[in-house]
Amino acid sequence: DTGVSQDPRHKITKRGQNVTFRCDPISEHNRLYWYRQTLGQGPEFLTYFQNEAQLEKSRLLSDRFSAERPKGSFSTLEIQRTEQGDSAMYLCASSPGPGLADPYEQYFGPGTRLTVT
Amino acid sequence: AQSVAQPEDQVNVAEGNPLTVKCTYSVSGNPYLFWYVQYPNRGLQFLLKYITGDNLVKGSYGFEAEFNKSQTSFHLKKPSALVSDSALYFCAVRVTNSGYSTLTFGKGTMLLVSP
Repeated sequence: DTGVSQDPRHKITKRGQNVTFRCDPISEHNRLYWYRQTLGQGPEFLTYFQNEAQLEKSRLLSDRFSAERPKGSFSTLEIQRTEQGDSAMYLCASSPGPGLADPYEQYFGPGTRLTVT
Repeated sequence: AQSVAQPEDQVNVAEGNPLTVKCTYSVSGNPYLFWYVQYPNRGLQFLLKYITGDNLVKGSYGFEAEFNKSQTSFHLKKPSALVSDSALYFCAVRVTNSGYSTLTFGKGTMLLVSP
């Protein structure tokens, strides 16, 4: 399968614990995005990488959240000191980067569903 | 601010009947518009897009969408609904900021197709 993959698919954690999610984009895609989707809402943008550089962070991304994309390949999203309000589906998407034909759309992974108890 | 509105939380249609899922947008400049579908516990799947050109866009699984600039709408349509079309549908607009682009989504419309 050459699509976007995310791991784990589900995570249940207790309030105050740290969690880390992984995203593997489509291999030739330079652009990587993280979104958060809560019940009854559409996905909301969190952060954007072009290769290994994190170029933008949403105001939704508090200082408890950190994302990395070492070597411009996979990406991780870490949430420290989780709160119940962090419960959501975390979606990763990728798209081709500059210099390649831009199809404009983003390709999404299956998501990681986080439940904070 | 650029935004997308999906005025219906849910659309019910009988199998075999035509379906329409509504979307209106508010953008500055030319809109790049998208429809995605989400099945339970799954990520979003791309259906179709409008970038430029013909106002009627055809996409996956027999879906199409009509771009109407005067009404700032981009409604999703299908001539004959299938039970398997039942899912959550999202309209989105591409927002460009300082050289990068993200998607701004509507809140979604649940489509229920009854046998």
